Amino acid sequence: KAGVTQTPRYLIKTRGQQVTLSCSPISGHRSVSWYQQTPGQGLQFLFEYFSETQRNKGNFPGRFSGRQFSNSRSEMNVSTLELGDSALYLCASSSDSGRGYGYTFGSGTRLTVV
Amino acid sequence: QQQVKQSPQSLIVQKGGIPIINCAYENTAFDYFPWYQQFPGKGPALLIAIRPDVSEKKEGRFTISFNKSAKQFSLHIMDSQPGDSATYFCAAGGGADGLTFGKGTHLIIQP
Repeated sequence: KAGVTQTPRYLIKTRGQQVTLSCSPISGHRSVSWYQQTPGQGLQFLFEYFSETQRNKGNFPGRFSGRQFSNSRSEMNVSTLELGDSALYLCASSSDSGRGYGYTFGSGTRLTVV
Repeated sequence: QQQVKQSPQSLIVQKGGIPIINCAYENTAFDYFPWYQQFPGKGPALLIAIRPDVSEKKEGRFTISFNKSAKQFSLHIMDSQPGDSATYFCAAGGGADGLTFGKGTHLIIQP
């Protein structure tokens, strides 16, 4: 059974640019949640998508957005990148919506903003 | 703001010892308490989880102890091995915002 696949693994972007990250969940899972991981703040919830609908959103600015497709694959977009956006971005898939049960995480996308 | 407080921040234990990591939560609406293990360059992997109607759960060498009245839970690793060296995160879930994570414990098991 394939796990959660995140692409790309590494990204280097310049301040002010935008970036799109991709997540393919485990087959059959309809929930995809995104987290930002930094040494200072730890793991912070960005948003969750279930059946193509954003169900919940964390306390992040509107520059952070996402979407989910009919095959459950999800993308997150960060516009007007800032140096502070440098982080490991993780997605987690689950069969349940919104409650965190049984999350399986991908290996993440390491974003560096210079 | 919902919080999960985790301690210690780092821990060094000799091989065969029993590292203990503690977490405390505030929101009594949480009904799911998992522990995740993360190795460098990897995403967190679910280790073990407990519901608040159970006081203890064991899976292999990993045990969660849960104290509902104190709103605390802990992870014990029996017969620890150098391969257990990793960062461990507690979390709480069941609310609308997925999982709320502790800040993590960097565990080193010395041979």
